[in-house]
Amino acid sequence: AQRVTQPEKLLSVFKGAPVELKCNYSYSGSPELFWYVQYSRQRLQLLLRHISRESIKGFTADLNKGETSFHLKKPFAQEEDSAMYYCALLPRGADKLIFGTGTRLQVFP
Amino acid sequence: DVKVTQSSRYLVKRTGEKVFLECVQDMDHENMFWYRQDPGLGLRLIYFSYDVKMKEKGDIPEGYSVSREKKERFSLILESASTNQTSMYLCASSPWTDNSPLHFGNGTRLTVT
Repeated sequence: AQRVTQPEKLLSVFKGAPVELKCNYSYSGSPELFWYVQYSRQRLQLLLRHISRESIKGFTADLNKGETSFHLKKPFAQEEDSAMYYCALLPRGADKLIFGTGTRLQVFP
Repeated sequence: DVKVTQSSRYLVKRTGEKVFLECVQDMDHENMFWYRQDPGLGLRLIYFSYDVKMKEKGDIPEGYSVSREKKERFSLILESASTNQTSMYLCASSPWTDNSPLHFGNGTRLTVT
């Protein structure tokens, strides 16, 4: 079954600490993977996608097909990074995303 | 900038009422989606639509229906609201191209009492 797993419901770090939000997926083909973010009182929005291989707001995510993971990383967390983060999978040829259950990141001053 | 507008930010309805949640997008997107967002469960797809008058069931369609009479508008209907439908409802749209990101509305927090 196609599935996205985010094992942590809550991740708390202090400002300046490294952050890694875990995402594992279950899919036999070549996936398209995304990270979406929802800041407090704002709409859910795309943060980054793996095909772009870009860094957004200091965040990066590398697709590891061997480990079927797409972890989101940032070397130095900022308070404004506090938000809800969702990992999402788009199976090849599909037209709807499969979302994980989300991880709330709290960055303390 | 794409705008997806959900008509109500908060709604309170009684059990058994018929509830309409409205969503409008202004970018001529073909695809529109309705999700519900619950703590610990993430986003679950209720229904989606590829085009006017077309609809497809998502993962949790029971108790819901949808209507898409115009391309820009996608309505979610709770035929007879129940307390387990208390949730945050998110509408999203995307164009008909591969890997297009979803554009979400602000959400409607529905409480059924």
